[in-house]
Amino acid sequence: AQSVTQLDSQVPVFEEAPVELRCNYSSSVSVYLFWYVQYPNQGLQLLLKYLSGSTLVKGINGFEAEFNKSQTSFHLRKPSVHISDTAEYFCAVGYEKLTFGTGTRLTIIP
Amino acid sequence: DADVTQTPRNRITKTGKRIMLECSQTKGHDRMYWYRQDPGLGLRLIYYSFDVKDINKGEISDGYSVSRQAQAKFSLSLESAIPNQTALYFCATSEPAGGASGETQYFGPGTRLLVL
Repeated sequence: AQSVTQLDSQVPVFEEAPVELRCNYSSSVSVYLFWYVQYPNQGLQLLLKYLSGSTLVKGINGFEAEFNKSQTSFHLRKPSVHISDTAEYFCAVGYEKLTFGTGTRLTIIP
Repeated sequence: DADVTQTPRNRITKTGKRIMLECSQTKGHDRMYWYRQDPGLGLRLIYYSFDVKDINKGEISDGYSVSRQAQAKFSLSLESAIPNQTALYFCATSEPAGGASGETQYFGPGTRLLVL
């Protein structure tokens, strides 16, 4: 069985400030980890993924995430956010079938 | 053109009606999925198919059925719609595990369904 916990349902951040969106997972086997982004009125698109190798993963739009096996975490970070980053962000875990977290809504304050 | 398309994009229906949501893809992927999204609940898997002859239930399949008409087409049916099936429905595709895109799922734009 696998599960994902996104502790923060909403995160407000001032423009150009850094942000961290938290994700913790549990799984009985090795899995892949993903972050997807959903912009308003759109489907989901992949931000980044961890399959194996380096624990620091870089994705699109300046986002990165770090896989921490001992803490079973895969937190998403960006050093400086823009208005265009306003969206809902989903962490997902799985191998062949994905389990999604409940999402974190990121709001950028001008 | 979009790689994963869904029709209709919006649908209003009445309790008890049968409706079908359709998904088509041009990515050439064998694997296809149907999810529903509800506020505060994230995405939950309804059904998935790893090839044309393979259909599997997800975590919330009750009240739904699917048909995989071809590699490129995967339809979701609500046999007798009820109000708590009001949600945003997404179709997705992926390559087999270990493929070049490494389990990435590609999503359609969604169908917003309202059951009155």
